[in-house]
Amino acid sequence: DGGITQSPKYLFRKEGQNVTLSCEQNLNHDAMYWYRQDPGQGLRLIYYSQIVNDFQKGDIAEGYSVSREKKESFPLTVTSAQKNPTAFYLCASSIEGGGVGYTFGSGTRLTVV
Amino acid sequence: GQSLEQPSEVTAVEGAIVQINCTYQTSGFYGLSWYQQHDGGAPTFLSYNALDGLEETGRFSSFLSRSDSYGYLLLQELQMKDSASYFCALSGYSTLTFGKGTMLLVSP
Repeated sequence: DGGITQSPKYLFRKEGQNVTLSCEQNLNHDAMYWYRQDPGQGLRLIYYSQIVNDFQKGDIAEGYSVSREKKESFPLTVTSAQKNPTAFYLCASSIEGGGVGYTFGSGTRLTVV
Repeated sequence: GQSLEQPSEVTAVEGAIVQINCTYQTSGFYGLSWYQQHDGGAPTFLSYNALDGLEETGRFSSFLSRSDSYGYLLLQELQMKDSASYFCALSGYSTLTFGKGTMLLVSP
């Protein structure tokens, strides 16, 4: 079955460490996205990519970095510069950019201690 | 920028009908989407309105009025499994902008 896989489901890191969240899709979708979800805040866009080797900043990109070396993969690195990294991170993809019919992964809950 | 407003919580009983409203501010958009998210899970796509009017998908219907900057999601014949958070989202040129979500609590 096609879908998006995020790993790990739960991640714990010490403050000051960089951490990379994995996102892989086998839907042959061109566009991929990273959202952050905090309680009562909805989903906020971190980065998105519409094509391999190209990506754009979202609304809250500071302290994060991404790469898109393969169509199937869009990893997110949470750097030590991110001041409040503890959150639920959701990866999504769509056939093409434009915000219709996103498919989401099951998320990674990151806790920084 | 874009912004969306939804009620934070709505309660209803099993078998009833409930409407979740969404008002928005934007300089331009392609359509309004609705997503469902059960606690701690992945959001799932429910409905999309590109044009004004009502879209029906089984027990769910969604409505858009561009002149009123307003939309709603209508859930009929509520079931316990419908207890979840519901997000409206504006489709821009490249991305989706989400509202903060409405938690729907369905009681027996």
